[in-house]
Amino acid sequence: GQNIDQPTEMTATEGAIVQINCTYQTSGFNGLFWYQQHAGEAPTFLSYNVLDGLEEKGRFSSFLSRSKGYSYLLLKELQMKDSASYLCAVGNSNYQLIWGAGTKLIIKP
Amino acid sequence: IAGITQAPTSQILAAGRRMTLRCTQDMRHNAMYWYRQDLGLGLRLIHYSNTAGTTGKGEVPDGYSVSRANTDDFPLTLASAVPSQTSVYFCASSDSELGELFFGEGSRLTVL
Repeated sequence: GQNIDQPTEMTATEGAIVQINCTYQTSGFNGLFWYQQHAGEAPTFLSYNVLDGLEEKGRFSSFLSRSKGYSYLLLKELQMKDSASYLCAVGNSNYQLIWGAGTKLIIKP
Repeated sequence: IAGITQAPTSQILAAGRRMTLRCTQDMRHNAMYWYRQDLGLGLRLIHYSNTAGTTGKGEVPDGYSVSRANTDDFPLTLASAVPSQTSVYFCASSDSELGELFFGEGSRLTVL
């Protein structure tokens, strides 16, 4: 079967760094996406990785290792507004997205 | 403001009733999608459309139907609602297969 695993919940401190991991097993691979979803709102796009390595975008970075079926989202200089759920999704060989259940990130002052 | 509009934002309906969730986008995106989001589960694809005039079944299509008469509109119909269809429904669009998804604000549906 196809499976995306990510931690259910994480807690971090304002100003710190947090890494949210995502492991996947899918039929084929056509890219990995990270989305941010604030409570009661729609998901919004954060990043896309299709090649191995690190993609940096401001305070957010995303890493991919296709051989390990592994990605992480790194958030630096955490702000209270970063409290949200972070969704990992993988495109499979049918060009459909398989979604993880999301990681709820709680930021404490 | 360009984007996706869903309606209604929230609805309570009795089991057995017919319900259509509306979705309209003004970005001229070819691909459109309907997802449901339930607590503890990832987004699950109900139906999709890669271009106007075509539709396809996603992971959980049973009990739902869609149509794509034009580029902008992609309504989702529940022919006879059941309590297990209580969920938050998101419509999304993208300009290509596996492109960045743009989501509507969601429709919270409760079936009693």
